[in-house]
Amino acid sequence: DIVMTQSPDSLNVSLGGRATVNCKSSRSLLNSSNNKNYLAWYQQKPGQPPKVLIYWASARDSGVPDRFSGSGSGTDFTLTISSLQAEDAAVYYCHQYYSTPYTFGQGTKLEIK
Amino acid sequence: QIALKESGPTLVRPTQSLTLTCTFSGFSPTTRGVAVNWIRQPPGKALEWLALVYWDDHKRYSPSLESRLSLTRDTSKNQVVLTMTNMDPVDTATYYCVYSPGSSSGTGWLGPWGQGILVTISS
Repeated sequence: DIVMTQSPDSLNVSLGGRATVNCKSSRSLLNSSNNKNYLAWYQQKPGQPPKVLIYWASARDSGVPDRFSGSGSGTDFTLTISSLQAEDAAVYYCHQYYSTPYTFGQGTKLEIK
Repeated sequence: QIALKESGPTLVRPTQSLTLTCTFSGFSPTTRGVAVNWIRQPPGKALEWLALVYWDDHKRYSPSLESRLSLTRDTSKNQVVLTMTNMDPVDTATYYCVYSPGSSSGTGWLGPWGQGILVTISS
């Protein structure tokens, strides 16, 4: 199984600030045949299902504000949220869909101060 | 618009089997690359992928749970059914049915998600 490790487990960032969540996979998620990284980021608010923010490591899903950006390749990935809003408070998960069994990071809880 | 909804019992006794139904709309499950997944989340914990059925009806299961899981798909009813045997209190979780899109790059990410169903295992 591919192990996904996120850091930090939690962070507390000021309104209007920038949050950075890191995700490391135990093996490369880059498919050399199409140059795509099979990595997605999700946002989950209390009582709601997760919602996809980023796929292919850096492609923003429809309707997701451009304050959310994804970067990285291979085994190291980052989700950056700039100009933090109160509604960005949530748990964020990275996920690899390179191979089954699909696996997730343990989650990063973002609080806004 | 793609939508998925989970249905089934919310309370199951230990050692019994759980059967959950995912009813979906807005896509064809036989479109190349598409998959329907089941994912669960124990209260306050992280997400755990359980299984998926691909457009061609091939299935994949979590190795740690494979002996207890079974998926069936009914394309005429737009449903995917998950059966999990020998339930234990540690299986208490919200169970989600989730769509994976298909593309020229294969089966993709997870979304949209159903609202989920909280299943409690207790005597």
